[in-house]
Amino acid sequence: GDSVTQTEGLVTLTEGLPVMLNCTYQTAYSTFLFWYVQHLNEAPKLLLKSSTDNKRTEHQGFHATLHKSSSSFHLQKSSAQLSDSALYYCALRNMGYKLTFGTGTSLLVDP
Amino acid sequence: DMKVTQMPRYLIKRMGENVLLECGQDMSHETMYWYRQDPGLGLQLIYISYDVDSNSEGDIPKGYRVSRKKREHFSLILDSAKTNQTSVYFCASSFGSQNTLYFGAGTRLSVL
Repeated sequence: GDSVTQTEGLVTLTEGLPVMLNCTYQTAYSTFLFWYVQHLNEAPKLLLKSSTDNKRTEHQGFHATLHKSSSSFHLQKSSAQLSDSALYYCALRNMGYKLTFGTGTSLLVDP
Repeated sequence: DMKVTQMPRYLIKRMGENVLLECGQDMSHETMYWYRQDPGLGLQLIYISYDVDSNSEGDIPKGYRVSRKKREHFSLILDSAKTNQTSVYFCASSFGSQNTLYFGAGTRLSVL
């Protein structure tokens, strides 16, 4: 079945350093990938999404490129900010509008 | 302003009691979802509803049922709650094929 893998449970960075959160997926259907962000005690909300192969998608300083050849959709940012500390979920659209989420990566940015 | 509202925000129940979690949205979205969130497991889909009385099981439906009698309301019911159903429950809605999910603030349920 469809699955999303986020290998890092926790990523700790110093402010100003680049961010890269990994996401790989498996699916037999059309590919629509998402990144959701959840700040502490808040609801998850959409950060960015893509269905176009090899096209960079950007939002709020974050960017990701869907690579269907490697089944990857890694999230990146050039310079981490304290406010980026949050839980990040990669998600895959299945048939019938179902979204399958990865297990999430907690990003902690230190001063 | 698009909004998904969940009630209650916090709930403590004893094992064996029935639990009703309610969710409302003001966007006339056809599709609504119930997820549970557990540390290390992420967000797991319990049920999805495509419209009134058109519900489908998600990945972990056992022990849960849902009801959707109006497009704007989607309820999650736990009949005879179990301790392993202690979790944070999120309701979400989406429009058409866009699949952007709008989440409610969540209900933190403790089953003792």
